[in-house]
Amino acid sequence: QLQLQESGPGLVKPSETLSLTCTVSGGSISSGPDWWAWIRQSPGKGLEWIATIYYTGNTFYNPSLKSRVIISADTSKNQFFLILTSVTAADTAVYYCARRLGYGFAFSVWGQGTMVTVSS
Amino acid sequence: DTQMTQSPSTLSASVGDRVTITCRASQNINGWLAWYQQKPGNAPKLLIYKASTLESGVPSRFSGSGFGTEFTLTISNLQPDDVATFYCQQYDNYPLTFGGGTKVEIK
Repeated sequence: QLQLQESGPGLVKPSETLSLTCTVSGGSISSGPDWWAWIRQSPGKGLEWIATIYYTGNTFYNPSLKSRVIISADTSKNQFFLILTSVTAADTAVYYCARRLGYGFAFSVWGQGTMVTVSS
Repeated sequence: DTQMTQSPSTLSASVGDRVTITCRASQNINGWLAWYQQKPGNAPKLLIYKASTLESGVPSRFSGSGFGTEFTLTISNLQPDDVATFYCQQYDNYPLTFGGGTKVEIK
């Protein structure tokens, strides 16, 4: 059974860089047709898609965050990552990693989420 | 970007009621519409994809319909366990976008 687990610092200072890891178990991130994504949810707010990386390595970003975001993967560790630079209080959110089965499918597997607070 | 607008933002209904949530897209999304249920403290759970396909393991009281720009999620026999916030999401084009959510409560 595919499982995703986010990890990262719970607290980040303003202007610093946030780094998150999603560890995948029960499946390989390099086998098609899976697509892997980061999605966040600010406290009391809705859901915002951040970025997606295909099993091929292709990446897609939300234009609202593109200048500050990098999504990448390490197939040897079966992990994928999110880097968000120059964080502000507006980046305080629960960050989820999730999987799509490819074109035509929605996010069918989610991690439990990790809360990140941006504060000095 | 494709804007997704859900209504109502909150609804209160009795156990056994039939409830309907509407999601409107700002452009044609070719049926690439998903519905998620989120309970407090939990990640969203996929209920329906491709507008009307029920995800495996999801109770049959949940159903989805629609095409083009207007979609609905129906809960045919509301249960106490259905108390949650429901989100629609389009995956026709990037950036992927979600509706603002509908909070369902029991009267």
